[in-house]
Amino acid sequence: KNEVEQSPQNLTAQEGEFITINCSYSVGISALHWLQQHPGGGIVSLFMLSSGKKKHGRLIATINIQEKHSSLHITASHPRDSAVYICAVVAGAGSYQLTFGKGTKLSVIP
Amino acid sequence: EAQVTQNPRYLITVTGKKLTVTCSQNMNHEYMSWYRQDPGLGLRQIYYSMNVEVTDKGDVPEGYKVSRKEKRNFPLILESPSPNQTSLYFCASSLVGYTEAFFGQGTRLTVV
Repeated sequence: KNEVEQSPQNLTAQEGEFITINCSYSVGISALHWLQQHPGGGIVSLFMLSSGKKKHGRLIATINIQEKHSSLHITASHPRDSAVYICAVVAGAGSYQLTFGKGTKLSVIP
Repeated sequence: EAQVTQNPRYLITVTGKKLTVTCSQNMNHEYMSWYRQDPGLGLRQIYYSMNVEVTDKGDVPEGYKVSRKEKRNFPLILESPSPNQTSLYFCASSLVGYTEAFFGQGTRLTVV
């Protein structure tokens, strides 16, 4: 079973700061998701990665398959970025089981 | 509008009374899945389906059943709910198992 670790668990930042959230996993995967969950509970998919780097607006996600590690970066953070960010890995070898990290709670203060 | 719809959004029930939470998607996605979210434990996968009539267990399948008779629907069945199944449940779909996931709004279930 894949073990997925996220760090930090909680993060408080000033508006405008550059933010990094990390995700490490123990077993090789076929893909990795970054998800965002706002207070109130709805979950939105931010990125799905199997290699390299993706960018969407102020969000950047990278993955290093050899090191079993992914990072989510937020540039010029804003209070509306306050949410829980969750990493989820898709098992490889023909299985599509998902395993989740416990999430990183981000608070951006004006 | 592309969406995943779960019903009901909130449900309070009693121990042992069979219930079904419905999930429907309008994107012709092959992959659908159910998750539960609990404080301190995060999200955990219950069951997933790679296509019609193809389902497989996730991490926590005990006490749940699913069926995939049509591509658009993937209901979650609790035949004899117990209080430890009190949780926030999410359904999600994606084109295939390793592409972008779309989540339903969630169902908050309380079993008393």
